[in-house]
Amino acid sequence: VQMTQSPSYLAASPGESVSISCKASKSISNNLAWYQEKPGKANKLLIHSGSTLQSGTPSRFSGSGSGTDFTLTIRSLESEDFAVYYCQQYNEYPPVTFGSGTKLEIK
Amino acid sequence: EVQLVESGGGLVQPGRSLKLSCAASGFTFSNYYMAWVRQAPKKGLEWVATISTSGSRTYYPDSVKGRFTISRDNAKSSLYLQMNSLKSEDTATYYCARRPITPYWYFDFWGPGTMVTVSS
Repeated sequence: VQMTQSPSYLAASPGESVSISCKASKSISNNLAWYQEKPGKANKLLIHSGSTLQSGTPSRFSGSGSGTDFTLTIRSLESEDFAVYYCQQYNEYPPVTFGSGTKLEIK
Repeated sequence: EVQLVESGGGLVQPGRSLKLSCAASGFTFSNYYMAWVRQAPKKGLEWVATISTSGSRTYYPDSVKGRFTISRDNAKSSLYLQMNSLKSEDTATYYCARRPITPYWYFDFWGPGTMVTVSS
């Protein structure tokens, strides 16, 4: 299953809301996870099952979608949210596959 | 606190071998499937291998099948990745990751990674 993530780059200001899209090449039900990558830190699982927040994920993060189209939304951006975000499908495996990433930078 | 710490990365010539290790702590290692995921410079994430709790089942993508071997030592809470016949395209940061106890193949904890450079 190919995962197409967009945009690849996003600039926003603290306090704003942003959305990141992830599209699967075929239906993956709700078997999608979102991760956050920050320099010098281990990748962090934010959301699984399309919309279930992992323990410790702030409520300003939300995930939606099923089938082929998914969205990660971050409301009221905080400085710590500027990072790279990846989606990953786990409906068909192996292999599991990742999106190409979205870099969220401060405007 | 769950901790995964990789080691063993470095510079290696094409065609040679390298073995990575991952030390796990903070959870009952033997209860979890474990995996390796890599990220080439300026590229996205690529799943490399997964191993079952007992080590009896292993899974690989075609890109590394036959060259890489994942293994584990539950007594030592350690995960390994033996990489043979290395190619330049294997240059990446390699992450150890834990699959949650539910039978879904996402990863709930990751290590900080160890860098492997394949170059002459």
